Amino acid sequence: AQTVTQSQPEMSVQEAETVTLSCTYDTSESDYYLFWYKQPPSRQMILVIRQEAYKQQNATENRFSVNFQKAAKSFSLKISDSQLGDAAMYFCAYRRPGAQKLVFGQGTRLTINP
Amino acid sequence: DADVTQTPRNRITKTGKRIMLECSQTKGHDRMYWYRQDPGLGLRLIYYSFDVKDINKGEISDGYSVSRQAQAKFSLSLESAIPNQTALYFCATSEGGMAEAFFGQGTRLTVV
Repeated sequence: AQTVTQSQPEMSVQEAETVTLSCTYDTSESDYYLFWYKQPPSRQMILVIRQEAYKQQNATENRFSVNFQKAAKSFSLKISDSQLGDAAMYFCAYRRPGAQKLVFGQGTRLTINP
Repeated sequence: DADVTQTPRNRITKTGKRIMLECSQTKGHDRMYWYRQDPGLGLRLIYYSFDVKDINKGEISDGYSVSRQAQAKFSLSLESAIPNQTALYFCATSEGGMAEAFFGQGTRLTVV
């Protein structure tokens, strides 16, 4: 069974600095999708970024980028120029094509210090 | 207005009571899901539905039931609520060819 592990329950960063959240996963599949979701205090789950495993290029969305290491089964999220609005719980998630569900990690709570 | 709307946002209920959580969507997606979020466990799938006539159990369906009343509506019921069902519940939608899911704002349920 696929599993997703986020080993950092909490992280903090100074405003305007860069922070990296870690995620590792276990799968025997070669084709799959990986995601980072953000959950602010409003509780809404917001898709931040997605990565297709067949793409070697790392996905980027504005200040958010990933470091996808397929052989190491690692999928870290880098947030550049951290802003107060980035404070949230971040979830890493995995899905294989045709599967019915997303498999989520335990989450990392990110605090931004002004 | 939100694309995926859950009601209620918060609910406190007593052990043994029946409760229904409702979800409606305006995204036009065919697939709908119910997930449960617990601290330290992430989100886990309870039930999912690919269309009105299709209902499937997820990994933690015991103690729950669902109804897909229309393409846009998917409700989750707890027939006899128990305290360990206290959690944050999310409804989500996706389209057949899409990998990602889109979530509602969650329902925080407390069973006392």
